[in-house]
Amino acid sequence: KQEVTQIPAALSVPEGENLVLNCSFTDSAIYNLQWFRQDPGKGLTSLLLIQSSQREQTSGRLNASLDKSSGRSTLYIAASQPGDSATYLCAPNTNAGKSTFGDGTTLTVKP
Amino acid sequence: GAVVSQHPSWVICKSGTSVKIECRSLDFQATTMFWYRQFPKQSLMLMATSNEGSKATYEQGVEKDKFLINHASLTLSTLTVTSAHPEDSSFYICSATPRSNSPLHFGNGTRLTVT
Repeated sequence: KQEVTQIPAALSVPEGENLVLNCSFTDSAIYNLQWFRQDPGKGLTSLLLIQSSQREQTSGRLNASLDKSSGRSTLYIAASQPGDSATYLCAPNTNAGKSTFGDGTTLTVKP
Repeated sequence: GAVVSQHPSWVICKSGTSVKIECRSLDFQATTMFWYRQFPKQSLMLMATSNEGSKATYEQGVEKDKFLINHASLTLSTLTVTSAHPEDSSFYICSATPRSNSPLHFGNGTRLTVT
């Protein structure tokens, strides 16, 4: 059974800082891994999808890396902004859309 | 981009009544949709996999007779919480993907409160 751990559980930084969110998973036989953000009381917004054959994906100020063999992924956020404040969830997908979620990292970016 | 619509966004019902939640894929067909539940300050827990034209697959510990899932078309899955009780109060979210290696898209969720 896939288990996902996200570190840190919470993070508070001043605006402008670069930061790294960590995700580890126990079953490395994944199709892909997806990073999401969730705002309070809302659904999930997809940020990045990394296929199992890829090492990283970039979108704007976000960069996600994947080391499938070691069961790790990181989400790098450059030049953080208050609007980045949210909970970030990592979800490795081992079975055609059936994803397992970590508990998330709650990020607060202070102006 | 692919969009998943979920309705209603919130509902309050009395204990013992049933509530139906709809999940639609707006611009793609989805043979499979997924239903999750999220309790406050917890992560998403998969409840069941909804399969178009066949029975849903439920995760261990999820009562199939309580959480009825119907996936009658390639763009619509419904979750009915039957005989709801206060402990069923939660945030229910659906997801779908056009194909197995595409991004998973989520609805905006339904906040269910059972009084």
